[in-house]
Amino acid sequence: AQTVTQSQPEMSVQEAETVTLSCTYDTSENNYYLFWYKQPPSRQMILVIRQEAYKQQNATENRFSVNFQKAAKSFSLKISDSQLGDTAMYFCALPNSGYALNFGKGTSLLVTP
Amino acid sequence: GAVVSQHPSRVICKSGTSVKIECRSLDFQATTMFWYRQFPKQSLMLMATSNEGSKATYEQGVEKDKFLINHASLTLSTLTVTSAHPEDSSFYICSARDHSRGIHNEQFFGPGTRLTVL
Repeated sequence: AQTVTQSQPEMSVQEAETVTLSCTYDTSENNYYLFWYKQPPSRQMILVIRQEAYKQQNATENRFSVNFQKAAKSFSLKISDSQLGDTAMYFCALPNSGYALNFGKGTSLLVTP
Repeated sequence: GAVVSQHPSRVICKSGTSVKIECRSLDFQATTMFWYRQFPKQSLMLMATSNEGSKATYEQGVEKDKFLINHASLTLSTLTVTSAHPEDSSFYICSARDHSRGIHNEQFFGPGTRLTVL
């Protein structure tokens, strides 16, 4: 069975600083995708970044980057130059064989001035 | 592109009534749609996978007779909560997969529907 674990229920970071959110997972698949989604107070799910497991290079999207360690089944999200608008719930997600997403429990990130 | 809408955004109903929630892919065809439920301060939990033209696949513990899912077209899936009770109060989110994007596996989420059963 697939599992996704986020061990940080809440985190806080000051504006302009860098924060890393952790995620570990378990899957028997060899080729798969991993995602980080953001859910702001509006509750609209927004894709932050995507990583393909067969690519060794870590994905980056502007201020967002990941540290993907396939052997360790670790997929952390780094947010650089944090902005107030980054305040949100962040979910790590792994698709199952039917492409539905298994989500971690989420990390509530608060960016303070 | 890749916009998914949900209607209604918020609904309040009396216990025992049925409520229908619509999920539409506005600018792409979605062979597969997914329904998730999210309780306050919790994560999204998959309820069912909806495939166009066939019966939905429900997750363990989800009552198929209570949560009726219909996916009659490539752009519309509906979730009907039958004989709703207060414990069904939750935030329901749909997502759709754009198969034309190939293997990217990205899903596009609707804005969600907040259901309150009195």
